[in-house]
Amino acid sequence: SAVISQKPSRDICQRGTSLTIQCQVDSQVTMMFWYRQQPGQSLTLIATANQGSEATYESGFVIDKFPISRPNLTFSTLTVSNMSPEDSSIYLCSVDFWLAGGSDTQYFGPGTRLTVL
Amino acid sequence: KQEVTQIPAALSVPEGENLVLNCSFTDSAIYNLQWFRQDPGKGLTSLLLIQSSQREQTSGRLNASLDKSSGRSTLYIAASQPGDSATYLCAVGGGSNYKLTFGKGTLLTVNP
Repeated sequence: SAVISQKPSRDICQRGTSLTIQCQVDSQVTMMFWYRQQPGQSLTLIATANQGSEATYESGFVIDKFPISRPNLTFSTLTVSNMSPEDSSIYLCSVDFWLAGGSDTQYFGPGTRLTVL
Repeated sequence: KQEVTQIPAALSVPEGENLVLNCSFTDSAIYNLQWFRQDPGKGLTSLLLIQSSQREQTSGRLNASLDKSSGRSTLYIAASQPGDSATYLCAVGGGSNYKLTFGKGTLLTVNP
């Protein structure tokens, strides 16, 4: 299995500012993912981050708003830029992890609860 | 575009009851299906993973079934306990891009 930590666990920010969320994994993984969970909604994939390449963003998400770094195989950051109250969500990182037997699953971090005033 | 629906949105049962959570998806061309548990402040915990070629998976008191042709999965919880109280999420894996599409979840409350 993989153990994932995120920093900060929660934050309250003013509109117009930016917040960088860190995700640390205890083992080397190729693929890391960033999700957003808005209040009362399902998790939505923001982007996929592979080490050594540009992140791939899903429809509705752009790099200028959610820049992502992936400097090595155990770490990634997501920045929420120029925040507005609509960005208030839980942000989660996850990793794809191959299990014995040839199947893969995703492990998730504890999430970062962001409130934008 | 894959859409995942979970019914009911919330469920409250007395301790000891057996219960079923439902998940439906619109595109049957899936890679796998996972059931997760979400506890406040603790992220998501994977409960069961069913590959597209499988029909069911079991872990302890949990049993998940998959019917790809009808686009349905169920999570059966036997002899429910207050510690089972959480939000249960169904997620469908879409193929080589490893993308998961989630439902909105079922909030389960098991009363002592």
